[in-house]
Amino acid sequence: NAGVMQNPRHLVRRRGQEARLRCSPMKGHSHVYWYRQLPEEGLKFMVYLQKENIIDESGMPKERFSAEFPKEGPSILRIQQVVRGDSAAYFCASSPYRVRGDNEQFFGPGTRLTVL
Amino acid sequence: QQQVKQSPQSLIVQKGGISIINCAYENTAFDYFPWYQQFPGKGPALLIAIRPDVSEKKEGRFTISFNKSAKQFSLHIMDSQPGDSATYFCAASNDQGAQKLVFGQGTRLTINP
Repeated sequence: NAGVMQNPRHLVRRRGQEARLRCSPMKGHSHVYWYRQLPEEGLKFMVYLQKENIIDESGMPKERFSAEFPKEGPSILRIQQVVRGDSAAYFCASSPYRVRGDNEQFFGPGTRLTVL
Repeated sequence: QQQVKQSPQSLIVQKGGISIINCAYENTAFDYFPWYQQFPGKGPALLIAIRPDVSEKKEGRFTISFNKSAKQFSLHIMDSQPGDSATYFCAASNDQGAQKLVFGQGTRLTINP
């Protein structure tokens, strides 16, 4: 029973390039969260998606960042025209369903983005 | 109001001792309080979680104490072992809405043999 999968694990981009981060949730999970972790800091919520829908993107920067979770395939976090300040670890988490008492989010290993 | 404040930033404990990490929150709408453990290069893993209808929850060597009136909760690790050396994050969320987790800043725990 595979856990949350993220790829690539490490990504190096030059300023101005695009970064695409992928997340495959655990089997049977239809809810995906993206978090960003800056060095020596806690994780910060970015976006929450269900299949084909963005539910809450209150933590996403207004420009250059976008996310999707298509009916088929992984969730994608896309960063256009990367800047050095985008260097961070990006974590995806998945959750089985939204009922009280089962709020556990399972985290993937993360993608560490370095912008040169 | 969305912040969760965690202390200390770093903690060194002798093997066999008790490790204590504290968190405080502002938003009274939070009703789910998990603790996550993270090893270098890995994603966070859920350790233990509590809801405000109980004041304490114990799982093995790990205990969460919860004080609703003070809006504080803490993690106690009994008989701390070198393998417990990791970064620990407290978090909070609300069952209403997106259930997004608000994380504390993290505590780097080192257990000396």
